[in-house]
Amino acid sequence: DVKVTQSSRYLVKRTGEKVFLECVQDMDHENMFWYRQDPGLGLRLIYFSYDVKMKEKGDIPEGYSVSREKKERFSLILESASTNQTSMYLCASSLRGTPNEKLFFGSGTQLSVL
Amino acid sequence: QKEVEQNSGPLSVPEGAIASLNCTYSDRVSQSFFWYRQYSGKSPELIMSIYSNGDKEDGRFTAQLNKASQYVSLLIRDSQPSDSATYLCAPEVGGSYIPTFGRGTSLIVHP
Repeated sequence: DVKVTQSSRYLVKRTGEKVFLECVQDMDHENMFWYRQDPGLGLRLIYFSYDVKMKEKGDIPEGYSVSREKKERFSLILESASTNQTSMYLCASSLRGTPNEKLFFGSGTQLSVL
Repeated sequence: QKEVEQNSGPLSVPEGAIASLNCTYSDRVSQSFFWYRQYSGKSPELIMSIYSNGDKEDGRFTAQLNKASQYVSLLIRDSQPSDSATYLCAPEVGGSYIPTFGRGTSLIVHP
């Protein structure tokens, strides 16, 4: 089975801190995604990547950046954390090039910014 | 921004009944449609995908797609308490194979 691993399940940071959320997948998937999930707002796409060193903005990229130096790893960076970035962050991966692009999700990181 | 509309619920059905979950979407170019199930405190998992107009059945689940009406639905037959979860409709953004998620419908199946 595909495994998508997020480095932390819970994270507490202070306003203004630089925050790194790490995600690793073990199935050689080309596509990787970062979503945030908030009550009543559903899943919203922050950034995604089709390949190493490649990134594309999603629907809500403001305040975030990403890094993909290796195929299996996709990092989300909060340059200066703010309280409105308190959320559940979900990483996902999928194969590219087929219509049946099932997303495999990690277990999520609940980030609290105080 | 592409719109995906779902009734937030909760939709409450008795055990053994048919649960009907509905979704409308705004992107006319969408070709692939997905239903994800998310249990409380867990990550979403894919349960159905559909690409052509009509019905697609998989066990107790049936996905229905009408592209002309921009409507997709999920029927769950013989609902079980273990089906209690939030169901996320996710049409792909036209031609990209990247799903856009609706806010989800909460389903409660009571014994």
